[in-house]
Amino acid sequence: GAVVSQHPSWVICKSGTSVKIECRSLDFQATTMFWYRQFPKQSLMLMATSNEGSKATYEQGVEKDKFLINHASLTLSTLTVTSAHPEDSSFYICSANYGGQGNTIYFGEGSWLTVV
Amino acid sequence: GQNIDQPTEMTATEGAIVQINCTYQTSGFNGLFWYQQHAGEAPTFLSYNVLDGLEEKGRFSSFLSRSKGYSYLLLKELQMKDSASYLCAAGGYQKVTFGIGTKLQVIP
Repeated sequence: GAVVSQHPSWVICKSGTSVKIECRSLDFQATTMFWYRQFPKQSLMLMATSNEGSKATYEQGVEKDKFLINHASLTLSTLTVTSAHPEDSSFYICSANYGGQGNTIYFGEGSWLTVV
Repeated sequence: GQNIDQPTEMTATEGAIVQINCTYQTSGFNGLFWYQQHAGEAPTFLSYNVLDGLEEKGRFSSFLSRSKGYSYLLLKELQMKDSASYLCAAGGYQKVTFGIGTKLQVIP
């Protein structure tokens, strides 16, 4: 079946540094991928829509200069958290639609980011 | 925009049946998703309803009424491993909005 893989699963970084998270569709091409953030005991919140070959579309309130998204190929999207702060510590999840009508959305395994 | 409501917590007994309800008010609605999420893990796809009616997949069934903006997830023959959060999500190809999730606890 369709698989979306995320890396790394866990990352700890120092405040002020940048962290890159990768999202790959392993056996299908995804022109669109989505990045979510989930704080403890809260629902998934869409951060941005990553579009292959063009700029990402950010949700209201999400800083595009802080959360850099690059979708350079049909199987890879990256999220870079720049100048990370402790409040950026969260569970970041990517997803991709499999099937032309979006009838199945598959999630990556998620990435736990802790900023110390 | 999207507004999705589902109960925050539910408790059910092993072997029993539980129904998790979800109501939604959305624009650009294409379908209704249900996901299972264990603590600390990414969500796992359970079902996607586009048309009204009940769809059954083994122990899990999902129902949708588009006119009422209502869906439910039915879990039969509950097992301890079914303890998880169940996320209702509405949307379509380009954008999906998630509810806060219903934390289900299955007790012996």
